[in-house]
Amino acid sequence: QSVLTQPPSASGTPGQRVTISCSGSRSNIGSNTVNWYRQLPGTAPKLLIYDNNQRPSGVPDRFSGSKAGTSASLAISGLQSDDEADYYCAAWDDSSWVFGGGTKLTVL
Amino acid sequence: QVQLQQSGPGLVKPSQTLSLTCAISGDSVSSNSAAWNWIRQSPSRGLEWLGRTYYRSKWYNEYAKFVKGRMTITPDTSKNRFSLQLNSVTPEDTAVYYCARTSGYFDFWGQGILVTVSS
Repeated sequence: QSVLTQPPSASGTPGQRVTISCSGSRSNIGSNTVNWYRQLPGTAPKLLIYDNNQRPSGVPDRFSGSKAGTSASLAISGLQSDDEADYYCAAWDDSSWVFGGGTKLTVL
Repeated sequence: QVQLQQSGPGLVKPSQTLSLTCAISGDSVSSNSAAWNWIRQSPSRGLEWLGRTYYRSKWYNEYAKFVKGRMTITPDTSKNRFSLQLNSVTPEDTAVYYCARTSGYFDFWGQGILVTVSS
């Protein structure tokens, strides 16, 4: 059971906007910033959003992040077929990093 | 650009020690602004942070509670790398193991190594 809670799956059609939630507690999301990662099969996770809503260089502005209280969200607008991947949230929690269980995004 | 290259065996026998190394290029294991982490991923437990080493005038090692006592992370400044040793492994330790840098977040990852614990 992961410390941060994500829906196991999400889906959308090309061009749609999809959001993925990440729920935590006061000791992790409530006290620290949230980062999001995208993982393709057989590869390492890749940083997508850091510090709640910042995009690393090269990440399109179709991806955005937000945080409120002990929850965070990742939004993907203008959904594309190659957005199909697993998405994970992460945050520092007291004395360790914790992750969400991951959300598998399917583009229909 | 930071690159992390992992090496180590893909098969370990139960009760033995799992040893992996992560070679760093483009940064220093002695950096005063980064930490060097080990993370693993399995279908049953997802992504799990195992521990980290970092240098801030002296060396610090921190471990996840569930591996404390079984795990050691060692920095090697002469070869600019860091290593993981996990003792007394069981089949539950079967996972893909990653090394990764944090500078506030995991920004660079190694390629991952699948380690299977089996006799």
